[in-house]
Amino acid sequence: DAGVIQSPRHEVTEMGQEVTLRCKPISGHNSLFWYRQTMMRGLELLIYFNNNVPIDDSGMPEDRFSAKMPNASFSTLKIQPSEPRDSAVYFCASSLRGEGEQFFGPGTRLTVL
Amino acid sequence: TQLLEQSPQFLSIQEGENLTVYCNSSSVFSSLQWYRQEPGEGPVLLVTVVTGGEVKKLKRLTFQFGDARKDSSLHITAAQPGDTGLYLCAGAGFQKLVFGTGTRLLVSP
Repeated sequence: DAGVIQSPRHEVTEMGQEVTLRCKPISGHNSLFWYRQTMMRGLELLIYFNNNVPIDDSGMPEDRFSAKMPNASFSTLKIQPSEPRDSAVYFCASSLRGEGEQFFGPGTRLTVL
Repeated sequence: TQLLEQSPQFLSIQEGENLTVYCNSSSVFSSLQWYRQEPGEGPVLLVTVVTGGEVKKLKRLTFQFGDARKDSSLHITAAQPGDTGLYLCAGAGFQKLVFGTGTRLLVSP
């Protein structure tokens, strides 16, 4: 199995631009999670899906953030407009069930100038 | 809000030393997982503890779940440079994991 796939691995953009991060979970996994990691705040859960349905988006910092999961094999996290404080590493993870072992992708390192 | 506090935040030791990392919460969890994250990669699961008081060993690593299922510890014996990384505990509940604040370990040769 290829594991969780994320793209791009690195993204550098200017303030105000739209950023779209992509994730392909492990086939057969029912739960998908988006996290943000910074030195200051650690690993923060942004949103998670169960069977493609958003369950809890209370961690999404602002309306500038949105996430979709149109099917079981694809999810996106969009930031519009982006701001410098959004700079972080964004991880996608999937699991067979919400409370089970989570398998993380390699992350997307986002830098907003 | 469920919070998991880890201590210490940073630990720099010499190869061969022993260390213990603590993970504490006021909340009860159905299970607790420990992950290790290396630079440039995502966290990887080390172990899951489920029963209060449970002890699990993984080579030189010993994990314990508190009797009340609110806290956990990770003990490393004779640390090696390969143990360097960010250690994260995660409590399971409400269909998700709550990750701890993390302990960054550096083991020097």
